[in-house]
Amino acid sequence: LAKTTQPISMDSYEGQEVNITCSHNNIATNDYITWYQQFPSQGPRFIIQGYKTKVTNEVASLFIPADRKSSTLSLPRVSLSDTAVYYCLPPQGGKLIFGQGTELSVKP
Amino acid sequence: SQTIHQWPATLVQPVGSPLSLECTVEGTSNPNLYWYRQAAGRGLQLLFYSVGIGQISSEVPQNLSASRPQDRQFILSSKKLLLSDSGFYLCAWSAGVWPSTEAFFGQGTRLTVV
Repeated sequence: LAKTTQPISMDSYEGQEVNITCSHNNIATNDYITWYQQFPSQGPRFIIQGYKTKVTNEVASLFIPADRKSSTLSLPRVSLSDTAVYYCLPPQGGKLIFGQGTELSVKP
Repeated sequence: SQTIHQWPATLVQPVGSPLSLECTVEGTSNPNLYWYRQAAGRGLQLLFYSVGIGQISSEVPQNLSASRPQDRQFILSSKKLLLSDSGFYLCAWSAGVWPSTEAFFGQGTRLTVV
């Protein structure tokens, strides 16, 4: 099963681009990579999912290199409301296993 | 549209008392259902995972149990609560259709065992 590694915390300022990288060395061939966002006292919210190269939606972009051993979530021009914990999840036998995530703090 | 309901929102229970948390999903059939616990504000711990009625996988040993009496109903129980059972409990569902791993979470139950 794939084990993920992400930075525990990151700081940024409003208007900056934030990139959060996740390592998943043992990802299976058919697994997609998913990212979630969680605000305090709320359940996580799906942000984006991808398999290879680049995926973009209205919230974020996801970059996955050819070897798929890592992925980078890119948040363009963050605002204070992007302060949250961000989780990287490769599937684990169909289950959704959340690691400790990355606590992003956006400052004015 | 699909919705997930989880209740109660908050709960204060004495040590040794029983627990029952209920979660229901509307607008979909045969969902994958999950129970998570989050302590100290970080790190969701997967407690139980179900792909169908009567099919429940326990992920960690504890004094909690789960049941799925109906397709869209998931119940978390305990016969005797411990102080360490305090935390934020979240129910979630996913369609379980590859390759999507998009899950939808309930509002959570804040349990305090005193």
